[in-house]
Formats: sequence, C-alpha cells, structure tokens
Amino acid sequence: DGGITQSPKYLFRKEGQNVTLSCEQNLNHDAMYWYRQDPGQGLRLIYYSQIVNDFQKGDIAEGYSVSREKKESFPLTVTSAQKNPTAFYLCASKFSLAGTGELFFGEGSRLTVL
Amino acid sequence: AQSVSQHNHHVILSEAASLELGCNYSYGGTVNLFWYVQYPGQHLQLLLKYFSGDPLVKGIKGFEAEFIKSKFSFNLRKPSVQWSDTAEYFCAVNVYNQGGKLIFGQGTELSVKP
Repeated sequence: DGGITQSPKYLFRKEGQNVTLSCEQNLNHDAMYWYRQDPGQGLRLIYYSQIVNDFQKGDIAEGYSVSREKKESFPLTVTSAQKNPTAFYLCASKFSLAGTGELFFGEGSRLTVL
Repeated sequence: AQSVSQHNHHVILSEAASLELGCNYSYGGTVNLFWYVQYPGQHLQLLLKYFSGDPLVKGIKGFEAEFIKSKFSFNLRKPSVQWSDTAEYFCAVNVYNQGGKLIFGQGTELSVKP
C-alpha cells in the first residue's frame, strides 16, 4: 500500500539534545512538508520541499533543520535551539508543489522533551 | 500575511443535530480550499475540497461545504451528525502564488453525544 511512514511514533528527549524524525513516502510525490500540531493552534508549517536537494522554510523554521537527499525521504531534525519542541509532528506529501492535489499525511510523531 | 480562521474551538452536539463549522480566510486571490478531519488516534484525512466550479461541494460521510467568495468563507455542514463524527476538523487554504503551501486553521474539536 502506498503511503507515508513516520518514525518513531513516540520519542522522548532530554533538553539540549538534537533528535531526528523520519518521514518516508512511496507515493512518488515530489513535494513534502513538515507541520507541527499544537492544541488550539492547528497545523503550522515548519519546512517544505518541492524536489530533491531543495527545501524552503515555512512559518516556524527556527530551531529545525531538514534535508532532501532522496525523493522518498524528508527527515526533520529538532535541534536544541528549538525553545519549545514538545509537540506532535506531521509529515505530508503532495504530487507536486504547485499542483492542486490533496495533501497526504503520515500518522505523526509525538516528541516530548523531559 | 494570509491566515485561516475557524470560529469555534470546541463544539458539542447531540446525535442527529445539524452541524455548521465556520472557516474564513484572508486572501483575495485564487485559492483552493480544503477540509480535513482527524479522528481520535488516526491520521489527518481529506473530507472535501474546492478548486473551481460549483461552490457547493460534497465530501465523504455526508459532509458538504459552501464556498462564498464574497465572504471569504468555506463553511462545513452536515444535516445530521453521528457519534462517529467526533473528531477534530481543520480548514485549509492553498494560495496559488505561495509556492503550494497549505495554510491551516486552528482546528475545531467536535464532540457528539450519543
């Protein structure tokens, strides 16, 4: 079955540590996205990528970094510079950035900083 | 900056009641509009979408939404809700000249009492 796989589902981290969240898709989509979901704030865009080796900052990119070395993969690193990293992180993809197709979502990764 | 506003954070209804969730966006150009739903413990999935044509769009599970361009609104409706409609609902806007970014509202949590 085609879809988006995020791992891990749950992650605990100590303050000061970087952590990388994985996102893999086998939908052959060009565009990939990372959103952060917080209660009462909806989904806020962290980074997005329209093609391999290209990515742009979203609305809340500070303290995060990404890479897009392969079409299928778009990992997100939450760095120690992110002041409030405890959140639910969602990866999504779309056939193409400019296209009007729907966004498909993974099941999310919940990060808790202790 | 473009934004999407959902009027209600939490709506509580009894089964068979009618539902209308408000969504307004702040952008004057061409937009695509979406409603996504997140059932408890599940990933976000598309309920319905508007690209062009008939402003009244029908989605899955008996939901519909009406695009009113003059009011910058895309309200979600269902004539008779069921307990299984308990979920969080997100309105989203894809702005044509914003590089394909999907901007989400804050979300509305719907609780349906049996």
